[in-house]
Amino acid sequence: QVQLVQSGSELRKPGSSVKISCKTSGETFSTYLVCWVRQAPGQGLEWMGSIIPAYGTATYAQRFHDRATITADGTTTTVYMELSSLESEDTAMYYCARDPLADVGAIPRGPDYWGPGTLVTVSS
Amino acid sequence: QSALTQPRSVSGSPGQSVTISCAGTSSDVGGYDYVSWYQQHPGKAPKLLIYDVIKRPSGVPDRFSGSKSGNTASLTISGLQVDDEADYYCCSYAGSYTSLFGGGTKLTVL
Repeated sequence: QVQLVQSGSELRKPGSSVKISCKTSGETFSTYLVCWVRQAPGQGLEWMGSIIPAYGTATYAQRFHDRATITADGTTTTVYMELSSLESEDTAMYYCARDPLADVGAIPRGPDYWGPGTLVTVSS
Repeated sequence: QSALTQPRSVSGSPGQSVTISCAGTSSDVGGYDYVSWYQQHPGKAPKLLIYDVIKRPSGVPDRFSGSKSGNTASLTISGLQVDDEADYYCCSYAGSYTSLFGGGTKLTVL
C-alpha cells in the first residue's frame, strides 16, 4: 500500500516562511517523481512544483519559482517544500503526491497517490 | 500558465451519463497523451480516476472513461450514482517537466 505521510498543520504570520514534509517509501523515493499541489479554501487544485528525489532535480510553476523550494532527503526518504514570503492568500491545504514517470523522456504522467494534506494558515 | 478550462458545474440524474470537458492548448492537452482525471469529495484528498487519457487504475469502475480530441480532453461518467457527486479535476503535462490542473467541475447528481 502506497503511503505518503505529511507533517501537521502550520500557522504562520505574513512575511514568514513554512517548510512542510512528505515522508515516502523507498520505492517512491527512488523510482517516482513527487509533486506539491495546493488548494485554497473553496478553490481548485494548483500544481506548484515537483522533484525527482533520486536526482534531486526540482521544477516549479512559474508563479512559485522564486518563493518555493522543494528538496529531498535520501536518508529519510522525505521530500520537503518550503514557501517563503507568505501572504494570507497562501492559506491552503498543501498536498504531496506521487507521480509516475513515462518510460521515454521521464515525463510526469499525473499524480496517482496523494498524501492527506497539510493545512497552512497565514494570519497576523 | 493559465489553468485548463473546465465547466464550473454539470448535473445529471441517477443512471444517466455526463461528460466533463477539459480544454487546453497544443502545448499541454493537445501536445501529449498525459492527461489524468481526479475525483475529490469534500474534505478528502483527490483520487485518480483516469491516466494517460484513457487508462483506468485498478479498482476504478468502468463507468468512468476518458478521451481526447485535439486540445480538449473529456471524462464521461455513465450510470450516474449518488456517490459520484463530487468535484472533478483534469491534469495535463504542460512541457518543461511541469503539469497543469483544470479549474474543477462540480458534479451534482439530482
